Amino acid sequence: SQTIHQWPATLVQPVGSPLSLECTVEGTSNPNLYWYRQAAGRGLQLLFYSVGIGQISSEVPQNLSASRPQDRQFILSSKKLLLSDSGFYLCAWAYNEQFFGPGTRLTVL
Amino acid sequence: AQKVTQAQTEISVVEKEDVTLDCVYETRDTTYYLFWYKQPPSGELVFLIRRNSFDEQNEISGRYSWNFQKSTSSFNFTITASQVVDSAVYFCALTVMNRDDKIIFGKGTRLHILP
Repeated sequence: SQTIHQWPATLVQPVGSPLSLECTVEGTSNPNLYWYRQAAGRGLQLLFYSVGIGQISSEVPQNLSASRPQDRQFILSSKKLLLSDSGFYLCAWAYNEQFFGPGTRLTVL
Repeated sequence: AQKVTQAQTEISVVEKEDVTLDCVYETRDTTYYLFWYKQPPSGELVFLIRRNSFDEQNEISGRYSWNFQKSTSSFNFTITASQVVDSAVYFCALTVMNRDDKIIFGKGTRLHILP
């Protein structure tokens, strides 16, 4: 069966610090991968998606970037965090439907 | 472009009442999937149902039922005899069947079931 892992589960970072969130998928190959952000009390915003290694599509301009160095690994990064980057970050993979990871709750102070 | 509208931002009902969550979608594609997800306070997204655009048959799963009507572009979700554990944010979502499999989410409806 397929599983999706995200870490860390929670993170508190100061403004201006770098960020690296990792997502890995097991039990499938060549999945479409996605990063979503959910600001407090709001809906899900698609940030990036990837249909293959090294292929990244950005949905909204922002302070974040994504990379896919391996087939089942998807990384969300920032060089300098902003207060507005706080939120709940969800990674997902898709095969007809999307399966979501447990999420990372990021607080930028 | 695709769009999903959940007009109800927040709903409160007393336990054991029935409640319907509305979802209206927009797409020009004829082949698409519709979804409902539940997000409990813990934050993870729990898949509830997927319905493809060629299947308008309503579905019932225990206390949950879904009413898909292409004529009105709606995919409503009803919880019968609600329970406190049903309290969560519920998202309706849409994806068209192409290479990207991007899912477009509604903004969610926060459901409070009061004891």
